[in-house]
Amino acid sequence: KAGVTQTPRYLIKTRGQQVTLSCSPISGHRSVSWYQQTPGQGLQFLFEYFSETQRNKGNFPGRFSGRQFSNSRSEMNVSTLELGDSALYLCASSDSSGANVLTFGAGSRLTVL
Amino acid sequence: AQSVTQLGSHVSVSEGALVLLRCNYSSSVPPYLFWYVQYPNQGLQLLLKYTTGATLVKGINGFEAEFKKSETSFHLTKPSAHMSDAAEYFCAVSAAGGTSYGKLTFGQGTILTVHP
Repeated sequence: KAGVTQTPRYLIKTRGQQVTLSCSPISGHRSVSWYQQTPGQGLQFLFEYFSETQRNKGNFPGRFSGRQFSNSRSEMNVSTLELGDSALYLCASSDSSGANVLTFGAGSRLTVL
Repeated sequence: AQSVTQLGSHVSVSEGALVLLRCNYSSSVPPYLFWYVQYPNQGLQLLLKYTTGATLVKGINGFEAEFKKSETSFHLTKPSAHMSDAAEYFCAVSAAGGTSYGKLTFGQGTILTVHP
């Protein structure tokens, strides 16, 4: 069974640009969550999607957005990039059992210059 | 609301020694508890989880953890460290009952170093 796939793995952007990250969940998983990992703030929850609907969101500004497609693939977008957005962005998928057991992808490392 | 405190940002052990990584949580509702491991330039890998049932849970790679409600703790142990255990370990909590919708609250992580 293929794991959670995130693309791209690495990317470099400049301040003010926008970026889109993609995540393909494990086959059959309908829940996709996104996290930001930085040395200073650690792992922080961004949002979760299930059946194309955002069910939960963390405390991030509106520049951070996401969506989910009918095949459960998800994208997140960050607009008007700031230096502080440099981070590892992790996507995770889970089944519908309610146990909140997340399987993470390898992440997309974003560097903002 | 939930929070997690991992005691010790760095732990160093000798190969073959006991590994003990400490985690205390705070939760206003019954918790689900997790330990994840992260190797350099990789995502998080689930080591073990407590959701319901037996409070002593066994995970992969010889790790285990015990849920102690009275102490609000979920410490991770391994009897004998191996060089390949060197990594960063994260404890996480979520609310039980299926309403957390993907949200885990993580501790700050503990970097485990294993000396030969």
